[in-house]
Amino acid sequence: DARVTQTPRHKVTEMGQEVTMRCQPILGHNTVFWYRQTMMQGLELLAYFRNRAPLDDSGMPKDRFSAEMPDATLATLKIQPSEPRDSAVYFCASGRNVGGTSNSGNTIYFGEGSWLTVV
Amino acid sequence: GENVEQHPSTLSVQEGDSAVIKCTYSDSASNYFPWYKQELGKRPQLIIDIRSNVGEKKDQRIAVTLNKTAKHFSLHITETQPEDSAVYFCAASPLGGSQGNLIFGKGTKLSVKP
Repeated sequence: DARVTQTPRHKVTEMGQEVTMRCQPILGHNTVFWYRQTMMQGLELLAYFRNRAPLDDSGMPKDRFSAEMPDATLATLKIQPSEPRDSAVYFCASGRNVGGTSNSGNTIYFGEGSWLTVV
Repeated sequence: GENVEQHPSTLSVQEGDSAVIKCTYSDSASNYFPWYKQELGKRPQLIIDIRSNVGEKKDQRIAVTLNKTAKHFSLHITETQPEDSAVYFCAASPLGGSQGNLIFGKGTKLSVKP
């Protein structure tokens, strides 16, 4: 059963520290998403990539957040410096040809999430 | 960009009753509409989806309907059971084009009372 893998699962850090979250998409999936979930805002799209190219990161605070895909098997989301308001669950999700011209489907699969607490 | 509104935010039903959750979307280019179920402390999981060339889709106790003209779609759960209690999210996504992302509604917390 292929799954999206995220690390760390839980992270508690002090304000001002750098936080890096990692995601391994399902093998063969070429579209990767980062979502942030909070009680107030629900599931917010931060950034997404297709074939490792960033397509949209308009939902991400640019001054402190950055997202990259060093290779097809790894996506990273970095916060530097972290602030208490960044406390949330960060989900990575992947899919095949999501939004592409192929009609092969838009289904995306979520990882278990990274639970971040910034104190 | 796409905007998805979801109602109600909370829904409480008695076991065996039906539950209906409604969503509206803004981008007429959207033509893929999945529904996700998220249990407490877990990841969202796809339960059913529908594409714009279909008006209704059913899978056992769950069904989804789509009205493209009005830009709304709904999730129907019949014969609800306590294990249906969770947060349900609708989403919309355009198929094709540069905007291939998936935009979610804010979720509906469904409670099924035994």
